[in-house]
Amino acid sequence: KAGVTQTPRYLIKTRGQQVTLSCSPISGHRSVSWYQQTPGQGLQFLFEYFSETQRNKGNFPGRFSGRQFSNSRSEMNVSTLELGDSALYLCASSTAGTGKSEQYFGPGTRLTVT
Amino acid sequence: GQNIDQPTEMTATEGAIVQINCTYQTSGFNGLFWYQQHAGEAPTFLSYNVLDGLEEKGRFSSFLSRSKGYSYLLLKELQMKDSASYLCAVQKDSNYQLIWGAGTKLIIKP
Repeated sequence: KAGVTQTPRYLIKTRGQQVTLSCSPISGHRSVSWYQQTPGQGLQFLFEYFSETQRNKGNFPGRFSGRQFSNSRSEMNVSTLELGDSALYLCASSTAGTGKSEQYFGPGTRLTVT
Repeated sequence: GQNIDQPTEMTATEGAIVQINCTYQTSGFNGLFWYQQHAGEAPTFLSYNVLDGLEEKGRFSSFLSRSKGYSYLLLKELQMKDSASYLCAVQKDSNYQLIWGAGTKLIIKP
C-alpha cells in the first residue's frame, strides 16, 4: 500500500499571500488530520476530516481552513499568511480516527513565510 | 485545561536502557500513544495503551497508570538508530482527538 503523500514538500511564500496544501491518505483511510509542527511546540492540531465532514477542530484562527473530497483526499488552505505560519505541516490518515486507530503521517510540507 | 509534560532532552549510552516519562492532565482520556520521529521525517507509531499496565513490543515497552496520569516508554538495548524524538499523545474520550506533548529528544552516545 502506498503511504500518505503530501504536496508540495517545500513552499516559500510572502506575507499576505495564501497557500493550499494537499494530502492523499492511505487507500481505505477515511480520516485525515492536519497538524502544525514548530520547534519546541510539538504537534498542534488543526482539524480532522472524516467522510468529507470536519469532525474536530483545533484552536487556530479562521485563516486556516480545510476540506475533504469524496476520495478522502484533503486540502488545507491558509489565507493572509503571517511570518508565524512558517512551520512543518503534517497530515495523518487513519481508518476511522477512533480507538486504537493509529495515525499514519505523511512527510509534511515545509512552509516558509518571508 | 490540557497539559502533557515530557522532558525536553535525554542522553543515553548505546546498549543501555532509558525511560522516557510522560505526565498528563486532560479533560477526558481514552488512550495514550507513543510515536517516534527521526529528524526531518514524519512521526511513526510505536505503541498504544488504554488499560493500566505494561505493553511490551520487542525492545520497546510502554506503561500506563490512568489514576496517576502517567506513562513511560522504556527502550532497552539502545542502538544508535534510536536517536530520535519521542512523542506522547493523549487521545480524548469525547472526540478521539489527540493532544500531543512537545516531544523528548533522545541522544544516544557510543
